[in-house]
Amino acid sequence: DAKTTQPNSMESNEEEPVHLPCNHSTISGTDYIHWYRQLPSQGPEYVIHGLTSNVNNRMASLAIAEDRKSSTLILHRATLRDAAVYYCILMGQGGSEKLVFGKGTKLTVNP
Amino acid sequence: DAGVTQSPTHLIKTRGQQVTLRCSPKSGHDTVSWYQQALGQGPQFIFQYYEEEERQRGNFPDRFSGHQFPNYSSELNVNALLLGDSALYLCASTLLTGISEKLFFGSGTQLSVL
Repeated sequence: DAKTTQPNSMESNEEEPVHLPCNHSTISGTDYIHWYRQLPSQGPEYVIHGLTSNVNNRMASLAIAEDRKSSTLILHRATLRDAAVYYCILMGQGGSEKLVFGKGTKLTVNP
Repeated sequence: DAGVTQSPTHLIKTRGQQVTLRCSPKSGHDTVSWYQQALGQGPQFIFQYYEEEERQRGNFPDRFSGHQFPNYSSELNVNALLLGDSALYLCASTLLTGISEKLFFGSGTQLSVL
């Protein structure tokens, strides 16, 4: 399974944008980039995923580098409820649907 | 529409005992996966069930076994419990389409082995 590298922790202020980086230099051409987050005492929650193009949804935006070796999850206006551990995960095409979690980035949001 | 539901939410067992955890997938989903999450770590993949068969398995001993029923619900069984089996056990469901699909997770069962 291809690996990802994320900072252990990041800090942000409420209502400011947050950019969470992820490096995946060994990504294959068919790997999708998935982001999940886990709030305290809950199971992981899907945030967003993409293959090559930047993606937007109601929760966040995903910016994918042209060479696909890195990506950035963007929370446009952080709220206290966004405080969580964010996981960047590569999932292959072909229906594996198996997630290989690293340690993720713990995001702290200050009021 | 209920999401993924797991039961029980908490469980306390002693070493050597056996435990069964249960999961009902999100409506319309046919694939169930189980993950183990130790304190402070990311979830680790145990195995995945599709069409009542174990489809793929992570690096877990045979003490961990599972089952999927015709209604797609699933059970995780752990025999001969060890102290190190204390963890949050998460169930995730998805619809297997062959294209990288998102997973929906339950809130987990917190297992404590004394």
